[in-house]
Amino acid sequence: DGGITQSPKYLFRKEGQNVTLSCEQNLNHDAMYWYRQDPGQGLRLIYYSQIVNDFQKGDIAEGYSVSREKKESFPLTVTSAQKNPTAFYLCASSPVPDNSPLHFGNGTRLTVT
Amino acid sequence: GESVGLHLPTLSVQEGDNSIINCAYSNSASDYFIWYKQESGKGPQFIIDIRSNMDKRQGQRVTVLLNKTVKHLSLQIAATQPGDSAVYFCAENMWTSYDKVIFGPGTSLSVIP
Repeated sequence: DGGITQSPKYLFRKEGQNVTLSCEQNLNHDAMYWYRQDPGQGLRLIYYSQIVNDFQKGDIAEGYSVSREKKESFPLTVTSAQKNPTAFYLCASSPVPDNSPLHFGNGTRLTVT
Repeated sequence: GESVGLHLPTLSVQEGDNSIINCAYSNSASDYFIWYKQESGKGPQFIIDIRSNMDKRQGQRVTVLLNKTVKHLSLQIAATQPGDSAVYFCAENMWTSYDKVIFGPGTSLSVIP
């Protein structure tokens, strides 16, 4: 089955540590996205990538970094500079340039203490 | 700035009844609207979409209505079932700006057996 795989589902880290969230897709989509979800708020865009080796900042990129070395993979690193990293992180993909609905993974819940 | 909002954060419906979830948008330039369903612990899942050249679109047990005059979007679920219990998000963007999707905060739908 085609889809998006995020791992791990739950992640716990100590404050001051960097942590990398994995996102892999086998949908052959060019575009990939990272969103952050907090209770009572809509999804907020962190970073997105339209093509391999290229990515752009979203609305809340501070404290995060990404890479896009392969079409299938778009890992997100939450750095120690992110002031409030505890959240639910969602990875998504979509075909480009077609403006079709986003396909989401099942998320990673990150807790930083 | 532009925003997408939902009128009701929570909605409880008797099993078998119809559900109506509302959404307001403020960006008159938006021309593509999407409804997503998010079950607990999972990523959002596409339900139905509609473009601004349409007023109504029907799917299986779901109907989306778009009123551009008052910038209002609604999702109707017929014969609501327990499996429909989830958080529903509306999202808006411009067809040419797939990276500018704006999500509403979501409405939690609870189906009473």
